[in-house]
Amino acid sequence: AQKVTQAQTEISVVEKEDVTLDCVYETRDTTYYLFWYKQPPSGELVFLIRRNSFDEQNEISGRYSWNFQKSTSSFNFTITASQVVDSAVYFCALSEAEDSGNTPLVFGKGTRLSVIA
Amino acid sequence: DVKVTQSSRYLVKRTGEKVFLECVQDMDHENMFWYRQDPGLGLRLIYFSYDVKMKEKGDIPEGYSVSREKKERFSLILESASTNQTSMYLCASSSPGTESSGANVLTFGAGSRLTVL
Repeated sequence: AQKVTQAQTEISVVEKEDVTLDCVYETRDTTYYLFWYKQPPSGELVFLIRRNSFDEQNEISGRYSWNFQKSTSSFNFTITASQVVDSAVYFCALSEAEDSGNTPLVFGKGTRLSVIA
Repeated sequence: DVKVTQSSRYLVKRTGEKVFLECVQDMDHENMFWYRQDPGLGLRLIYFSYDVKMKEKGDIPEGYSVSREKKERFSLILESASTNQTSMYLCASSSPGTESSGANVLTFGAGSRLTVL
């Protein structure tokens, strides 16, 4: 069975600090997808990144970077030089790829990030 | 701008009432999903559909049903609302296409916050 664990319930940082949000996953499949979504105070979830299990390259997009390590089943998300606009709830999610198609996304419980000016 | 539209942002209902939550997407997506979001529990899958007139139970289907008569519309039904169904309900859709086309990436609606008194 697939499972996603976000151990950090809430994180608070001062603006311009770097912050890492942890995500650990469990799956028995060899082919799967990992995702990060952002939910700002307005409530609508916004897609940030998808990574497939065969691509362990780290990814950087502006101030955001993701570190995928299959050896530790982790897909951590780092925000560099955080800003107040980064304040949101961040969700990590997993989907397994099966012959019949991809399974629905299973989400972690989310990490609430507060960036203080 | 592509969208998933949920008909009601806020609803207040009484115990025992029948409740319809409507979701429409304009992206011609085959897949549609209903999740509920509760503090400390993250997003949990209620029902999903990979095709018109097709439905599959998610992790917490008890007390809910769904209807998908048209490709663009996926309705969540609470036959007899109860107070423990007070929650934020999130509709999402995705395409089953190729990875390069954005397959399996969920687009979410703004959510429907339901309060059952």
